[in-house]
Amino acid sequence: QKEVEQNSGPLSVPEGAIASLNCTYSDRGSQSFFWYRQYSGKSPELIMFIYSNGDKEDGRFTAQLNKASQYVSLLIRDSQPSDSATYLCAAPRGGGTSYGKLTFGQGTILTVHP
Amino acid sequence: DAGITQSPRYKITETGRQVTLMCHQTWSHSYMFWYRQDLGHGLRLIYYSAAADITDKGEVPDGYVVSRSKTENFPLTLESATRSQTSVYFCASSDDGGGYGYTFGSGTRLTVV
Repeated sequence: QKEVEQNSGPLSVPEGAIASLNCTYSDRGSQSFFWYRQYSGKSPELIMFIYSNGDKEDGRFTAQLNKASQYVSLLIRDSQPSDSATYLCAAPRGGGTSYGKLTFGQGTILTVHP
Repeated sequence: DAGITQSPRYKITETGRQVTLMCHQTWSHSYMFWYRQDLGHGLRLIYYSAAADITDKGEVPDGYVVSRSKTENFPLTLESATRSQTSVYFCASSDDGGGYGYTFGSGTRLTVV
């Protein structure tokens, strides 16, 4: 089992809709989780991190963490064509908090069409 | 320039040659990392460093060498390049061990022919 798995997609949503991206992790000891966005040909950029169970909101983005189910999600409200990118979920290698080494999921390609 | 920079942006080399990818950051971050990104494998950690002169292997270190004599620089050397090392290489840095995530450089696209 991979340490971090994402629904492979691709995911296509209409402009203005909610995009839901999902990620599961295998190590119950993991304490922190990260969402990165990567545009084609560019480097990943951090958009959200979450440590606590529940929801964390930042503008149009909401990260959700359920440690009992080992599940992390990212919701993008009012999706825009500029949100079209690959979204990467990451968690610490070997569990715990992130003291350096992150394991990334394969990424989910999101396309927002006008 | 402030931030984290990688050079070169593109590199073509021949099998068996030694090649060094450079990474420089201006924030004095303690932690630096090298990842490679390949279709079907995603981002995989090659090496990381917690401080100058402290380095350790990641998930896929074979065929690579790193050094960190200065905090701001973390070069990655392919001692004898192979076609399987054709990839996009990303350097990243963090001030706190990655507790709040990394900042990535713009990447080096390496092709080994």
